[in-house]
Amino acid sequence: NAGVTQTPKFQVLKTGQSMTLQCAQDMNHEYMSWYRQDPGMGLRLIHYSVGAGITDQGEVPNGYNVSRSTTEDFPLRLLSAAPSQTSVYFCASSFSQGAREAFFGQGTRLTVV
Amino acid sequence: TQLLEQSPQFLSIQEGENLTVYCNSSSVFSSLQWYRQEPGEGPVLLVTVVTGGEVKKLKRLTFQFGDARKDSSLHITAAQPGDTGLYLCAGDSGNEKLTFGTGTRLTIIP
Repeated sequence: NAGVTQTPKFQVLKTGQSMTLQCAQDMNHEYMSWYRQDPGMGLRLIHYSVGAGITDQGEVPNGYNVSRSTTEDFPLRLLSAAPSQTSVYFCASSFSQGAREAFFGQGTRLTVV
Repeated sequence: TQLLEQSPQFLSIQEGENLTVYCNSSSVFSSLQWYRQEPGEGPVLLVTVVTGGEVKKLKRLTFQFGDARKDSSLHITAAQPGDTGLYLCAGDSGNEKLTFGTGTRLTIIP
């Protein structure tokens, strides 16, 4: 049982480049989300999805796009990377009903130079 | 935006000591969760509390949900080096978004 798998684990981008962070889960969870973690800021929600075909914005969505074509996959796209997007990104999944206990991937450490 | 404030932000204590960390908000949550995160890893769920006043124990860790469901505490008895990590609380207000606290970075000195 792999849980939540994120790739890549590390990435360096130049300002203006685009890339996609991959996230896949094998627990048949309806709810998936992306967070960024910065020192002293905790985890901030970027985008989330309550099911295939449905996405919505979180607290800090600017500069990021998401799509949810399947239950398993929830990729995060950086359209034009900026140094302010240097962060650690976490994908999480959970069941939609009941206490929404999140299962996290191992994270992607992104540096934009 | 709902905020969850955790205190202290940093805590460094000797092995064997007791400690308490706090998670406070002005908002009411339907449930509150505590996670522990180790370097290079994602957060891992420790416990979920749902009922106001609820107390849950996980070995040497005791979690309490405030009566008004706005705050929570985590108490560790006889801390061990393996307890070192970043402790995060997260509140579910039923609006499809999980709000995370700012975290308490705990270091247990052998």
